[in-house]
Amino acid sequence: AQKITQTQPGMFVQEKEAVTLDCTYDTSDPSYGLFWYKQPSSGEMIFLIYQGSYDQQNATEGRYSLNFQKARKSANLVISASQLGDSAMYFCAMREVGDFNKFYFGSGTKLNVKP
Amino acid sequence: EAGVVQSPRYKIIEKKQPVAFWCNPISGHNTLYWYRQNLGQGPELLIRYENEEAVDDSQLPKDRFSAERLKGVDSTLKIQPAELGDSAVYLCASSDTGKTFSGNTIYFGEGSWLTVV
Repeated sequence: AQKITQTQPGMFVQEKEAVTLDCTYDTSDPSYGLFWYKQPSSGEMIFLIYQGSYDQQNATEGRYSLNFQKARKSANLVISASQLGDSAMYFCAMREVGDFNKFYFGSGTKLNVKP
Repeated sequence: EAGVVQSPRYKIIEKKQPVAFWCNPISGHNTLYWYRQNLGQGPELLIRYENEEAVDDSQLPKDRFSAERLKGVDSTLKIQPAELGDSAVYLCASSDTGKTFSGNTIYFGEGSWLTVV
């Protein structure tokens, strides 16, 4: 079974609007971490936000927030007030405490922000 | 603080030729990763080092790929001979195992873009 599933290959959003990128995960480990990365066309993977499995509140970093629904095993990324520079690939990733240096990545979502 | 450094940035080679990629992780990071990323897909782990030891190389095609991390710092990934299907971006990443689990992220280099013709 896939550890990380991103079901949206591509998304469009109007500039200044909010957008949600979906991510579901599969683990039996009680302790894990969830990450989102942005990859512009230049290729570098940029860390955006982190959510721990025991964190009570949803993580936020500036315009990024993570909608963590533990029972549903989902960790959706919400980008508020989209900007043209947000156009990129976005990857969801997970690590489990059982082997916490192993990262599992999803297949990514290509976000296009329209002016 | 310097990030993960990779070279070369771009490489075009003919099939059956050898190629090597070099990576210098962030200073002090014990864990080093090599990922392969095909166009429009997520990174796939090739090999992971903890210091000098390769602890996860199950996805490394060992008939043509090899890697080393001498002295637990820099690393080299080699392909010999290259095939057309090896065209991809090869990403190196590192993380600090000295930190606690929580929020310990992985840092990537800019990648080495390989085209095999």
